[in-house]
Amino acid sequence: GAVVSQHPSRVICKSGTSVKIECRSLDFQATTMFWYRQFPKQSLMLMATSNEGSKATYEQGVEKDKFLINHASLTLSTLTVTSAHPEDSSFYICSALQRGGGDTQYFGPGTRLTVL
Amino acid sequence: KQEVTQIPAALSVPEGENLVLNCSFTDSAIYNLQWFRQDPGKGLTSLLLIQSSQREQTSGRLNASLDKSSGRSTLYIAASQPGDSATYLCAVTPVHNQGGKLIFGQGTELSVKP
Repeated sequence: GAVVSQHPSRVICKSGTSVKIECRSLDFQATTMFWYRQFPKQSLMLMATSNEGSKATYEQGVEKDKFLINHASLTLSTLTVTSAHPEDSSFYICSALQRGGGDTQYFGPGTRLTVL
Repeated sequence: KQEVTQIPAALSVPEGENLVLNCSFTDSAIYNLQWFRQDPGKGLTSLLLIQSSQREQTSGRLNASLDKSSGRSTLYIAASQPGDSATYLCAVTPVHNQGGKLIFGQGTELSVKP
């Protein structure tokens, strides 16, 4: 089946630093990738939709200058949390739509970000 | 604005029981509905996807139904096992966002006791 990886799986950083999270589709091409955020015991909230070769579309309330998304190829999207603060600590999950693969989204294993 | 609600928030059952998880959504204009499983600290695994024109989907011990007009879906798990313990999430794709956008419920945390 289709596999999506995320790197790193866990990251701890100091307040004010920037952190980059990678999302890769390992065995398929993904024209669209999504970035979600999940707080403990809560559901996934869509942050942005990333399309290869174009600017990401951000959901209402998500700061595009703080959460930089780059979808440079059909297998890689990156999320950079700039000037991270403790309130950015969360579980970040990406998903990918397979090119020509219908409606199924394949989810990555998630990245746990802790900002001290 | 589409809202997805799951009841109960948590459920604990003894092994072997059949159980039903509920999902409701406020706007019936959906493209499809999906049920996912999430293990603690992990990503999501897709269990079943029901298109808006379908009434149910089955996979092994899992059966998901969809009543679009009433805004409801159920996930039926037969003969539950401890390995079924996880959080179950339902999500809808709104008709107006067929680019794949999913709106999730809060999830039901299931614990199956041996």
